[in-house]
Amino acid sequence: GAVVSQHPSWVICKSGTSVKIECRSLDFQATTMFWYRQFPKQSLMLMATSNEGSKATYEQGVEKDKFLINHASLTLSTLTVTSAHPEDSSFYICSARDKTSGMSGGELFFGEGSRLTVL
Amino acid sequence: GEDVEQSLFLSVREGDSSVINCTYTDSSSTYLYWYKQEPGAGLQLLTYIFSNMDMKQDQRLTVLLNKKDKHLSLRIADTQTGDSAIYFCAESRHNQGGKLIFGQGTELSVKP
Repeated sequence: GAVVSQHPSWVICKSGTSVKIECRSLDFQATTMFWYRQFPKQSLMLMATSNEGSKATYEQGVEKDKFLINHASLTLSTLTVTSAHPEDSSFYICSARDKTSGMSGGELFFGEGSRLTVL
Repeated sequence: GEDVEQSLFLSVREGDSSVINCTYTDSSSTYLYWYKQEPGAGLQLLTYIFSNMDMKQDQRLTVLLNKKDKHLSLRIADTQTGDSAIYFCAESRHNQGGKLIFGQGTELSVKP
């Protein structure tokens, strides 16, 4: 099946630094990618919808200047956590829908997640 | 995930059937999904059902959908210890760009 790759899978950084997480669709093109955040023992909370070639759509309460999303191509979206603080420590998961599946149909493929720890 | 509700915990014995329930709220949802998450890992799609279906079976998995009541269930037959994980149901909101809204997850514990 289709594969979505996230990198890095695990990162530790100092407070105040910025961290970039990449999400790549390896064998399909994705016009839309979604970024989720998951706290331990909790559900996935949608942060933003990343659209290729346009600005991301952020969910209510998510700071767009804090979590910069860039979807530069049909196979790559990046999430940059700027000036990270310990409360940003979390598990970040991206997902991508094959553009041939239509807006809401078919399978949404998930990356393996990136665990961010901010000291 | 507050619009998609799941019970938080289920414990069964190996060999029994497990039934995980989910309720959702958006009648415009076109697809409903079940994902499995093992500790420290991403999400693995188990199965999905289109909203005009009421049942889908795939090997040990059976999904039942009651669209009138907005109720979805996942039945795992002959549950094994390897099935222990957190199971998330999710709805794809057609009117909101197809984004997935997840339930809180049900932690399934399978005892030998």
